[in-house]
Formats: sequence, structure tokens, C-alpha cells
Amino acid sequence: DADVTQTPRNRITKTGKRIMLECSQTKGHDRMYWYRQDPGLGLRLIYYSFDVKDINKGEISDGYSVSRQAQAKFSLSLESAIPNQTALYFCATSDPNPGQGALGSYNEQFFGPGTRLTVL
Amino acid sequence: AQSVAQPEDQVNVAEGNPLTVKCTYSVSGNPYLFWYVQYPNRGLQFLLKYITGDNLVKGSYGFEAEFNKSQTSFHLKKPSALVSDSALYFCAVRDRGSTLGRLYFGRGTQLTVWP
Repeated sequence: DADVTQTPRNRITKTGKRIMLECSQTKGHDRMYWYRQDPGLGLRLIYYSFDVKDINKGEISDGYSVSRQAQAKFSLSLESAIPNQTALYFCATSDPNPGQGALGSYNEQFFGPGTRLTVL
Repeated sequence: AQSVAQPEDQVNVAEGNPLTVKCTYSVSGNPYLFWYVQYPNRGLQFLLKYITGDNLVKGSYGFEAEFNKSQTSFHLKKPSALVSDSALYFCAVRDRGSTLGRLYFGRGTQLTVWP
């Protein structure tokens, strides 16, 4: 989806290096997510943010950190990359249904094109 | 706990034949259910969702899915497969009662449609 962009698209790095993956969106959505995809494991949630002041850990947050610089930007950092962090990383956004309040967030998520990260 | 199972890693079907990609789920409350498709070197694209109402949901590219509460299933179907339908398909669920809004994804099913 061209409304959600990720940079870089591909990155090869070495063990111990610090890496930042960036996500930007023009959808005006409050909610943003970072997932990693590994073959045979599907998508696993790393972190998610419901607004610039709200950040939550997902199921595999160890070794990662995030920053929500603005409503439109959500960055994922690997402070000291290790080989088992080699994966495809996706950013996604969503927006709650304005008529449903806090429980109304059943709208689908919109995904960026992904960043393929290789840690040697 | 929420979870999704896609029991088949791969589904192979001939073009023109009907296809089914299976999904079962487990949530503590009532579910919202989604199907996404991923083409090579692309991000996930939304196909369809079940929120409430009619158990048969129609989505993009001629796909449909049927919500079956008693069997906790949400199988994806298409009456006549196309070679261009070949892709990786993900089922996802979230608990309707959860305020967190996060999705839980299955491991994916690789669909191959041969000519």
C-alpha cells in the first residue's frame, strides 16, 4: 500500500550493529504496528502504538525498541543486531471506527511493503 | 488466549477448480476475523473480514469466507481458481471485547494454482 512506506527496503548488516527501520504513513491513522515475518511462523507482533504517547510491547519485543516521533512516523530499532533477527519486517496502520469508541477498532490493518533485514 | 491455526502449509489446485484455504481460531470472546494475501516481495493486502451479520462474507478478487461459530472456523473459498491467485494467505483474529485492537495471525498457507 503506497500510503504506508518503509525504509530501507533491504539492509544487510553485521552482528552488534545498531539498525533503525523507519515507517511513515499518510493515512492519518493513530494506530501503528511493527511485525516480523519468518518462514513458517507467520507474522509476530513486536511493538504497537495507539498514539504518540502510547507504546506497547508485543509478543517478541526483546532486542527491539521503538519510537513514535509523530502520528505519521513509527521507527523500530535493533540496538545490537544478532543473526536471529534476520527476517522480513512489516509496519502496519489502522484506525478505530469513530462511532464505536475504544471497542470499535475492527478496521483492517494496512501494511507497508516490508524491509528485508539480514544480520551476518 | 487468542490464536489462529492454518492447518495446511500448502494448497495446490488446478486453474478453474474451486479452492479452500482453512482457518480455525481461538478467542476468549467473540471474534473479528480477517484474511490477508501476500504476493511475492509485497506487503500484506486485505481481502475480507467478518465483523457481524451474515456468516458468508464476500471480499476482493472473487474470494469469500464463511464464519462458522460452532466449528470456530473461517475458511477462505473461491469457486474458480486463477493462476494469479497463487500467493501466501494469512488468517487473522482479534477478540471483539479487547480494547487493544491487535491481530493474531496464522502461520500462512501457500496457495499454488497451476495452469
